[in-house]
Amino acid sequence: GAGVSQSPSNKVTEKGKDVELRCDPISGHTALYWYRQSLGQGLEFLIYFQGNSAPDKSGLPSDRFSAERTGGSVSTLTIQRTQQEDSAVYLCASSLGLAGADTQYFGPGTRLTVL
Amino acid sequence: AQSVTQLDSQVPVFEEAPVELRCNYSSSVSVYLFWYVQYPNQGLQLLLKYLSGSTLVESINGFEAEFNKSQTSFHLRKPSVHISDTAEYFCAVSDVGSNYKLTFGKGTLLTVNP
Repeated sequence: GAGVSQSPSNKVTEKGKDVELRCDPISGHTALYWYRQSLGQGLEFLIYFQGNSAPDKSGLPSDRFSAERTGGSVSTLTIQRTQQEDSAVYLCASSLGLAGADTQYFGPGTRLTVL
Repeated sequence: AQSVTQLDSQVPVFEEAPVELRCNYSSSVSVYLFWYVQYPNQGLQLLLKYLSGSTLVESINGFEAEFNKSQTSFHLRKPSVHISDTAEYFCAVSDVGSNYKLTFGKGTLLTVNP
């Protein structure tokens, strides 16, 4: 079946604008994760969803970042008042969410550039 | 808190040579261990993982990694590399019993030269 998809693939925005990044997980995957990949920081965990709930938001860097998931499927990561340091590749992953460390499948990412 | 250290940011090798990519981790609890690979212009893919049992795990394309609890290491090895193995390799850990979020190392760029 289809893998994890993310849109847009590239986003260029001006400092101070809001952006929304979308993730479509693999059908049937109850767990969904957002990560950020940047040159200086490597790959960092942002937030974890189990179904529509987010029991772990510990990686969100500031209150400008928020995320939601609806219908146990699509997730949106919103960054308000973007800053240049938000420039990075934002990766989404999904997994079955069963007991045990099931495999996380990653999407291709959204490259965000804040001018 | 967990941390993962990949000791080499870049590893250049010649084709058919052996390679070892080093990974050490720190955690106060038991962990699962993973190696992910990112080929040029592609997304992250799982290469192999250690959950329990045999400490030596293998991938389908000839890589292997060995979990060493006493040295807190999970080094990745391949006896003979190909040009197509050129990629960035990420070591990652997750806590057993947690929500399985991954903590990644900063990555090792493996470049295989002819």
